[in-house]
Amino acid sequence: DTGVSQDPRHKITKRGQNVTFRCDPISEHNRLYWYRQTLGQGPEFLTYFQNEAQLEKSRLLSDRFSAERPKGSFSTLEIQRTEQGDSAMYLCASSPFRGGGQETQYFGPGTRLLVL
Amino acid sequence: AQSVSQHNHHVILSEAASLELGCNYSYGGTVNLFWYVQYPGQHLQLLLKYFSGDPLVKGIKGFEAEFIKSKFSFNLRKPSVQWSDTAEYFCAVNKEYGNKLVFGAGTILRVKS
Repeated sequence: DTGVSQDPRHKITKRGQNVTFRCDPISEHNRLYWYRQTLGQGPEFLTYFQNEAQLEKSRLLSDRFSAERPKGSFSTLEIQRTEQGDSAMYLCASSPFRGGGQETQYFGPGTRLLVL
Repeated sequence: AQSVSQHNHHVILSEAASLELGCNYSYGGTVNLFWYVQYPGQHLQLLLKYFSGDPLVKGIKGFEAEFIKSKFSFNLRKPSVQWSDTAEYFCAVNKEYGNKLVFGAGTILRVKS
């Protein structure tokens, strides 16, 4: 079990540029989640996938954000036309599906984004 | 909407002191409850969880938590903290049949040796 991995770990970009982050979940996990965490706050839910289907998106996920999980394995999160308010830690988590909301989510190390 | 409140943002304790971190949530239905810990420089790790049954749950490293349904609370406890418990602790809730965790703002615990 290698855990959830994320790449890159850090990203510095200029306002208006596009960025893409990658998440590789634990291999047997069919659920994958994205969260965003800003300083002094807990993680906030952005979206989740079950296999390749994106089943829920938060209102936090504006039109500039898009997430994919094309083959039900790794996922990408893209932010277009970045803004300074997008600066945050972007966390990925994965879980097996159990039902009843009893999934235990395992988190990756995160990608820290700084928009200048 | 669901929300989770953690009462103290910073807690400083001496080694061997007892710890209790408060967590209250605002959802009236059935919930699944979690405590996660983030040690300095590391990623979020599960400390313990409650789904059903005995409301007193035990986790790793001597931590336990008690679910009190009438108080909408899930407080984390440890009888004697160690310097290595210095970390940030997050309470999280997922409602029954829900698909996302709602986190509190976290409590930063510093244990003085």
